[in-house]
Amino acid sequence: GENVEQHPSTLSVQEGDSAVIKCTYSDSASNYFPWYKQELGKRPQLIIDIRSNVGEKKDQRIAVTLNKTAKHFSLHITETQPEDSAVYFCAARPQGGGTSYGKLTFGQGTILTVHP
Amino acid sequence: ETGVTQSPTHLIKTRGQQVTLRCSSQSGHNTVSWYQQALGQGPQFIFQYYREEENGRGNFPPRFSGLQFPNYSSELNVNALELDDSALYLCASSLQGRETQYFGPGTRLLVL
Repeated sequence: GENVEQHPSTLSVQEGDSAVIKCTYSDSASNYFPWYKQELGKRPQLIIDIRSNVGEKKDQRIAVTLNKTAKHFSLHITETQPEDSAVYFCAARPQGGGTSYGKLTFGQGTILTVHP
Repeated sequence: ETGVTQSPTHLIKTRGQQVTLRCSSQSGHNTVSWYQQALGQGPQFIFQYYREEENGRGNFPPRFSGLQFPNYSSELNVNALELDDSALYLCASSLQGRETQYFGPGTRLLVL
């Protein structure tokens, strides 16, 4: 089955700096890669996602890049703010319909702390 | 805030007991997936329900079972609770054929 590795486990930056979180996946058939932000005691919230037919996607201060050959994808947050502090999870979903659609495999998470 | 709701918010059970957790999907969403999130870990896929049938399962034993109702809401049942079942249980709803999943707030289960 799919295995997703996420690094680093913790990341501390100063307000205004950029933050980068990297994930690698094992199943070359995976074709959908969402990123979730989870604040303490709250639900995971989708912040951006990318499909395997796209190499990069950007939404304001957040961008995701995908390298299918190397089987890795990264989250980039620019101009970080204290409210960006949270746990970030990457995930991968295998290709195919039916029983595959719901099965997201998550990374272990990155605790991002943005210092004012 | 998404429309996915879960109940109860917190639950304390003892080893060997049984528990039922509930999830109401976002309006119009016909698919519900359940995940277990242990402390400090990413969510792990338990199973998915579509058209009232299990439609994919992760590496969880048969004592984890579920139901989906005609209104798309869903239940997760866990029998013979073990200490390691202590976790946050999340449900996520989506439209079949669409990748995007929206999570509920979760039920925090503590097994003593």
